[in-house]
Amino acid sequence: EVQLVESGGGLVKPGGSLRLSCAASGFTFSSYSMNWVRQAPGKGLEWVSSISSSSSYIYYADSVKGRFTISRDNAKNSLYLQMNSLRAEDTAVYYCARESTAWGQGTLVTVSS
Amino acid sequence: AIQMTQSPSSLSASVGDRVTITCRASQGIRNDLGWYQQKPGKAPKLLIYAASSLQSGVPSRFSGSGSGTDFTLTISSLQPEDFATYYCLQDYNYPFTFGPGTKVDIK
Repeated sequence: EVQLVESGGGLVKPGGSLRLSCAASGFTFSSYSMNWVRQAPGKGLEWVSSISSSSSYIYYADSVKGRFTISRDNAKNSLYLQMNSLRAEDTAVYYCARESTAWGQGTLVTVSS
Repeated sequence: AIQMTQSPSSLSASVGDRVTITCRASQGIRNDLGWYQQKPGKAPKLLIYAASSLQSGVPSRFSGSGSGTDFTLTISSLQPEDFATYYCLQDYNYPFTFGPGTKVDIK
């Protein structure tokens, strides 16, 4: 069974940093591109970032470019999102997703003073 | 970036109704479109990929159609468990973009 489990969310002050992790199991992690998608409270879905299976290709939404860094460790079946210079508008549930087909349950990031 | 619009933004329907949701892209995206269902407090669930292919395990009352810029999600006979918010997503090019969502609730 495909499982994606996010962790690392929490409360952080504006300007702070946080690192999200996504532990994958039940499939060959190294064969799939991975994504981060977020959802602000009461709002719609927003694609954040994608990374190809071998990390050769990386893409970001304009809203996070230069502040967030996506990475992966295929040996550890793990996906990461390093978030720096956090803003109030980054407050959201962050989901990791295997391509478009499988999603984790999300981790809440709250940016507030 | 490709803009995605959805209509309607919300609708009220009864069990057994046929429901149609439309998604439009600001430029052609071939058939690189997916439809997602999301219930409150839950992760989105993929229903349709490549515009018209039914994801494994999804009931056959869900169907998708379209290509280019105009796409449709149809629920042939609405069931109680189908009350949710539906999103389209274009994965034709980066940045991927979602539609704003269509909330389906009980009439």
